[in-house]
Amino acid sequence: EIVLTQSPGTLSLSPGERATLSCRASQSVSSSYLAWYQQKPGQAPRLLIYGASSRATGIPDRFSGSGSGTDFTLTISRLEPEDFAVYYCQQYGSSPPAFTFGPGTKVDIK
Amino acid sequence: EVQLVQSGAEVKKPGESLKISCKGSGYSFTSYWIGWVRQMPGKGLEWMGIIYPGDSDTRYSPSFQGQVTISADKSISTAYLQWSSLKASDTAMYYCVRYRYYDILTGNAFDIWGQGTMVTVSS
Repeated sequence: EIVLTQSPGTLSLSPGERATLSCRASQSVSSSYLAWYQQKPGQAPRLLIYGASSRATGIPDRFSGSGSGTDFTLTISRLEPEDFAVYYCQQYGSSPPAFTFGPGTKVDIK
Repeated sequence: EVQLVQSGAEVKKPGESLKISCKGSGYSFTSYWIGWVRQMPGKGLEWMGIIYPGDSDTRYSPSFQGQVTISADKSISTAYLQWSSLKASDTAMYYCVRYRYYDILTGNAFDIWGQGTMVTVSS
């Protein structure tokens, strides 16, 4: 079973700053099967990035994903007030089919 | 508009049964897998299982196998999550999600999320 670890647990930044979130897998993950989600308080999560680096429909280009193997990164180039939220990475394993989420990184206002 | 609309919040007692629903619209319901994700209060996301409404092929996370039942009625574009005997530890928000496969390079993801159904189990 692949375990995802996210760091840091909490990231305190100011609007306009750059946010760099890390997701590390316990074993190599296909880049095709690594996604990122954003969850704001009281809301359902929404898909930001799939295939490690492809933005979902309607996602601003200040969000970008990168990485391969066991190390993946979500970058928010310039934080907007609406970006303060919790971010989860997620991977898919095919044998057997399983979806695993990381524990999340909270981005809050400094 | 593609959307998943879930049934409303539930308050139940331990030992009671429950079935919550998730209705898809705006797309071909039988062509996409539908999954369920649990979020306990103040905690992260856990995948529970997934069903293909086209033929009801169902897969469960080992953590939830035997604890819940996932089903679907394609005639009304609705997926279900049910418990036969609730426990206090089932108190959580439950999300249904649409699983989308993009292509071999960009893989897959949960691209559409329902609004969530809060289930509270308390004596």
